[in-house]
Amino acid sequence: GAGVSQSPRYKVAKRGQDVALRCDPISGHVSLFWYQQALGQGPEFLTYFQNEAQLDKSGLPSDRFFAERPEGSVSTLKIQRTQQEDSAVYLCASSLGRDRNFGPGTRLLVL
Amino acid sequence: SQQGEEDPQALSIQEGENATMNCSYKTSINNLQWYRQNSGRGLVHLILIRSNEREKHSGRLRVTLDTSKKSSSLLITASRAADTASYFCATDGSQGAQKLVFGQGTRLTINP
Repeated sequence: GAGVSQSPRYKVAKRGQDVALRCDPISGHVSLFWYQQALGQGPEFLTYFQNEAQLDKSGLPSDRFFAERPEGSVSTLKIQRTQQEDSAVYLCASSLGRDRNFGPGTRLLVL
Repeated sequence: SQQGEEDPQALSIQEGENATMNCSYKTSINNLQWYRQNSGRGLVHLILIRSNEREKHSGRLRVTLDTSKKSSSLLITASRAADTASYFCATDGSQGAQKLVFGQGTRLTINP
């Protein structure tokens, strides 16, 4: 069956540009997570949704980061005025229970 | 703010040998999970061990958990070239059951 998909897979942005990263979770999965993974590091939690409600956004590094999931399905992570330190792989995961299903990630490079 | 620390950071062994990776964490947990990540790919869940369990097996994988030492180990027996990947431990617990916290990972290379 279809897993979690993310788009775009790769994004190159100029410093100061806004970007939007999309996550399509597995159909019916209530929970959705965003993680940021810097090169050579483990993923770091950004935010968590249960249906359309954003229950935890404590991992968002600054107010330039914004995530939404308006209909409880597709989610978008938006980064405004990108900085070089935002360069990373952004992973999305969805789950129905304890096991998380991760997408392939979006690799963001800010020049 | 990663909780887990993994040891070694990189491991290179011959095909057929066993690979052991260790993970330490800092706070109390509900469970600990191990994930695999192939280069350029997402994470794949391997195995979960609950805080009241000490050992768990799944195929060629064996996971141990020592809550008194706040540590876990992942053993891969009879390694194969396809096992080449990064392996991460992840915990959930007092910091929020939904906020899975990952270690920095062990990069495992299996040489044919």
